Amino acid sequence: DTGVSQDPRHKITKRGQNVTFRCDPISEHNRLYWYRQTLGQGPEFLTYFQNEAQLEKSRLLSDRFSAERPKGSFSTLEIQRTEQGDSAMYLCASSLTTSGGFRNEQFFGPGTRLTVL
Amino acid sequence: AQSVTQLDSQVPVFEEAPVELRCNYSSSVSVYLFWYVQYPNQGLQLLLKYLSGSTLVESINGFEAEFNKSQTSFHLRKPSVHISDTAEYFCAVSETPTGTASKLTFGTGTRLQVTL
Repeated sequence: DTGVSQDPRHKITKRGQNVTFRCDPISEHNRLYWYRQTLGQGPEFLTYFQNEAQLEKSRLLSDRFSAERPKGSFSTLEIQRTEQGDSAMYLCASSLTTSGGFRNEQFFGPGTRLTVL
Repeated sequence: AQSVTQLDSQVPVFEEAPVELRCNYSSSVSVYLFWYVQYPNQGLQLLLKYLSGSTLVESINGFEAEFNKSQTSFHLRKPSVHISDTAEYFCAVSETPTGTASKLTFGTGTRLQVTL
């Protein structure tokens, strides 16, 4: 088990371009979360999946943001028409839900740092 | 809605001195509480957690935190810090299983700077 991985680790793009980030959770984990962390702030929740179902997406920052987890394994986060304000660290986390409820221990990946020029 | 307040953005301390990082939360439902640590250029790592049971929880590297429901606090303490403890520390809460979401709500973080 290598933990949660994210790709790429760094992304520099020009304003107006689209970007896509990938997250591979811990293999047996059925929940996957996306967070955004700006400088000097704590991570901010964006969305999460249980298996392939996106259970909450109201916190996605605008309609330019979308996330998918098509087969219940890896997930992608896409930002369309990037703006300078999108510059941040994008974090992915995963956790395991048990039949009796859920264990809310989330394991985080190293993050993807996005810089929009 | 939940919120977390970490009043101290930075805490400078000398090596081998004790330290307390403060965390207060607000929630209308029962919560789980967590402390995460972020070392420079690394991802978030879980330091310790309170889910239920004993209100005093400990980590393997000497940190401890105590859940105080009446004061809605979950302060992090260590009796003697080391240079290697220099990092950003985040307090976080999430709803217990009866809640409708399992997302974490984080505080703004406390930068612990340990010097000789």
